[in-house]
Amino acid sequence: DAGITQSPRHKVTETGTPVTLRCHQTENHRYMYWYRQDPGHGLRLIHYSYGVKDTDKGEVSDGYSVSRSKTEDFLLTLESATSSQTSVYFCAISFNLAASYEQYFGPGTRLTVT
Amino acid sequence: EDQVTQSPEALRLQEGESSSLNCSYTVSGLRGLFWYRQDPGKGPEFLFTLYSAGEEKEKERLKATLTKKESFLHITAPKPEDSATYLCAVQDHRGTGNQFYFGTGTSLTVIP
Repeated sequence: DAGITQSPRHKVTETGTPVTLRCHQTENHRYMYWYRQDPGHGLRLIHYSYGVKDTDKGEVSDGYSVSRSKTEDFLLTLESATSSQTSVYFCAISFNLAASYEQYFGPGTRLTVT
Repeated sequence: EDQVTQSPEALRLQEGESSSLNCSYTVSGLRGLFWYRQDPGKGPEFLFTLYSAGEEKEKERLKATLTKKESFLHITAPKPEDSATYLCAVQDHRGTGNQFYFGTGTSLTVIP
């Protein structure tokens, strides 16, 4: 298994509260990604990082921000959680070795916004 | 707009009954097509990467193929442990080349 951990694994929060999810890797991979997975939509890219302090938006970035101050950590923040952000969030990493971009996923965080 | 469509949504097979899953895609510039397996409550697990039409990859009972418009995941003589959701994803080469688009998956159940 790729060395990826996500915390917390489960969280219930109220509408309007800030929430931060953490992804930690032990592989020293350059690229890190945040996805959300919802029934009927599949996995959708929220934000990704291609290096420390280098991030870019994905398909569904509105309402989310990210930060990467160290190679091993990628944080996803919901500044003011809404019920539409109830989802399962997955972190992924890839090392882009020889232009190979396959991603390795963490175990996921189930977030419920009430 | 980039799109990935997988079919069927669900598939039930008897153990040993071979079949194929389909992934059709529309993307302006394909950098790679990926297949993943996802078990309930877990993150997707990488299976294959395909880069160009005509390419094939195999792993145990699974074989992935790629054309210019679609990919197939062939499952030969499946076993109950092959039951999972199989996801297809494409990588678009535009921009930084790090935009990935996933299909909604095919849920495979193999009955003993």
